[in-house]
Amino acid sequence: QKEVEQNSGPLSVPEGAIASLNCTYSDRGSQSFFWYRQYSGKSPELIMSIYSNGDKEDGRFTAQLNKASQYVSLLIRDSQPSDSATYLCAVKEGGTLTFGKGTMLLVSP
Amino acid sequence: SAVISQKPSRDICQRGTSLTIQCQVDSQVTMMFWYRQQPGQSLTLIATANQGSEATYESGFVIDKFPISRPNLTFSTLTVSNMSPEDSSIYLCSVSSRDREAFFGQGTRLTVV
Repeated sequence: QKEVEQNSGPLSVPEGAIASLNCTYSDRGSQSFFWYRQYSGKSPELIMSIYSNGDKEDGRFTAQLNKASQYVSLLIRDSQPSDSATYLCAVKEGGTLTFGKGTMLLVSP
Repeated sequence: SAVISQKPSRDICQRGTSLTIQCQVDSQVTMMFWYRQQPGQSLTLIATANQGSEATYESGFVIDKFPISRPNLTFSTLTVSNMSPEDSSIYLCSVSSRDREAFFGQGTRLTVV
């Protein structure tokens, strides 16, 4: 059984701070890793993908992957109230995605 | 990224009836999936829609309850059959290539009364 674990939160940060979201996964054969943002009542929106160990930066977002530790993280710099949402970690192996339960992020003005 | 149109966006249905959800993609895609998201929960994969053949269902989901069609590379339907209140969920269509990112339709919010 493939498992993707996330802290459900909520993670509360003040506006302008760095939000750090973490995810661990069980399947060592996993090849592709994704972070999705989901606003309440909306469908998931892809914000980052990462395929190799290390960091990947895109604007205010940085994804970090450590395959040896089976660990993926997402850093959001200069957090904004509009970043308040649930962040879903997803891991792909064999063509199918397995999602974590998501971490709710609350950014207060 | 592909543009995915899913309809209906929401529906309220009587128990015992069936609802068919449609998913249309604006380009040919390799893989299409159907997910369910129950209230306050994450996404659970129902099945992979295979073009021209029977869908591949995940554990806990069966064809009689969730028949799926995929007549071509851009279109798929999911039917929720003989509905009960426990089927009230958001149903999501998703497309991707094998090892790359997946994109989602807008979702169908189903309420069974």
